[in-house]
Amino acid sequence: KAGVTQTPRYLIKTRGQQVTLSCSPISGHRSVSWYQQTPGQGLQFLFEYFSETQRNKGNFPGRFSGRQFSNSRSEMNVSTLELGDSALYLCASSSTSGNNEQFFGPGTRLTVL
Amino acid sequence: GEDVEQSLFLSVREGDSSVINCTYTDSSSTYLYWYKQEPGAGLQLLTYIFSNMDMKQDQRLTVLLNKKDKHLSLRIADTQTGDSAIYFCAETSGGYNKLIFGAGTRLAVHP
Repeated sequence: KAGVTQTPRYLIKTRGQQVTLSCSPISGHRSVSWYQQTPGQGLQFLFEYFSETQRNKGNFPGRFSGRQFSNSRSEMNVSTLELGDSALYLCASSSTSGNNEQFFGPGTRLTVL
Repeated sequence: GEDVEQSLFLSVREGDSSVINCTYTDSSSTYLYWYKQEPGAGLQLLTYIFSNMDMKQDQRLTVLLNKKDKHLSLRIADTQTGDSAIYFCAETSGGYNKLIFGAGTRLAVHP
């Protein structure tokens, strides 16, 4: 079974631009969560989508948004990029049964210049 | 509030046991997890424990949970150089799939 895939793996943007990151969950998983990892703040929860609906949200500004498609693939968007948005963005997928194990993708490394 | 704390660094000799400790605050957490992150990689789920368990063993890994003290530990037996990585403890919070992570413990294994 293929794991969680994220594209692109690396991105370089400039301040003020917007960016879209993509995540394809493990086949059969309907929940996708997004996390931001930075050296200063560590791993922080952004949001979770389940069946195309945002089910949970972290404490990030409205510039961070996401969506989920009917095939469970998810995208997150960051508008008006700031230098502090430079981070590793991780996506995790989970099935709806059992112990809520979340399986992470390799991440997208975003650098904002 | 939600908070997970871990010591930041641990150094062990190859072949010894490693013990990584974690404290958490959310007593309603149903599951507690241990993840491993190698340089440049995502997070690898190592193991988890359900909140009504005290201990779970999975090959070289042993997880101990003291729910009264909200303390979680991960023991790695016969630590190898390939175990060098950052280890994150995480609790579920607010239901569903929101994980709260500790800052991570960097494990260095030396010959």
